[in-house]
Amino acid sequence: NAGVTQTPKFQVLKTGQSMTLQCAQDMNHNSMYWYRQDPGMGLRLIYYSASEGTTDKGEVPNGYNVSRLNKREFSLRLESAAPSQTSVYFCASSHSSYEQYFGPGTRLTVT
Amino acid sequence: QKEVEQDPGPLSVPEGAIVSLNCTYSNSAFQYFMWYRQYSRKGPELLMYTYSSGNKEDGRFTAQVDKSSKYISLFIRDSQPSDSATYLCAMSAVTGQGAQKLVFGQGTRLTINP
Repeated sequence: NAGVTQTPKFQVLKTGQSMTLQCAQDMNHNSMYWYRQDPGMGLRLIYYSASEGTTDKGEVPNGYNVSRLNKREFSLRLESAAPSQTSVYFCASSHSSYEQYFGPGTRLTVT
Repeated sequence: QKEVEQDPGPLSVPEGAIVSLNCTYSNSAFQYFMWYRQYSRKGPELLMYTYSSGNKEDGRFTAQVDKSSKYISLFIRDSQPSDSATYLCAMSAVTGQGAQKLVFGQGTRLTINP
């Protein structure tokens, strides 16, 4: 059981480049989430998917898009990266309960 | 004003001390109150949760919720160097789509000195 996996672990982008962060879970969870974590800001929700086929905006969705590819996979896309998107990105999943299981994170730097 | 406020610290205490971590919140719709622990360069992991006012104990950890004051606390007794981590309070509310949406505090970085 790998839990929640994220790829890549690290990425450096130039301003204006695009990329997709991948997330997969093997716990058969319905709900999946994308957060970003910045110093002094805690975790902020970008997008979430309550179940396969649905997605919705969180607190900080601007500049991001998501795709719930199937029940296991939930990807986050940056179409035109900006320095303000330099952050650590966490994917999480849950079975519609309070407990969310987090992946190891992706450290993204935009120069 | 943020929905959840947490003193970011950092907090540094000697081994064996009692640690108190606190959060305040403004949204009365929050249902579950949680503490997550995050070690350096790792994802957060759930440490404790509760859904009612009062205290809940788990070993050296006690979670306390006061819904009337909109205040939650985490106490760590006999603190150990292995407790050194960032502690994030989190509160949940159900979305219209049935997912539990968590709102996190800023996190408090705790160091226990041997």
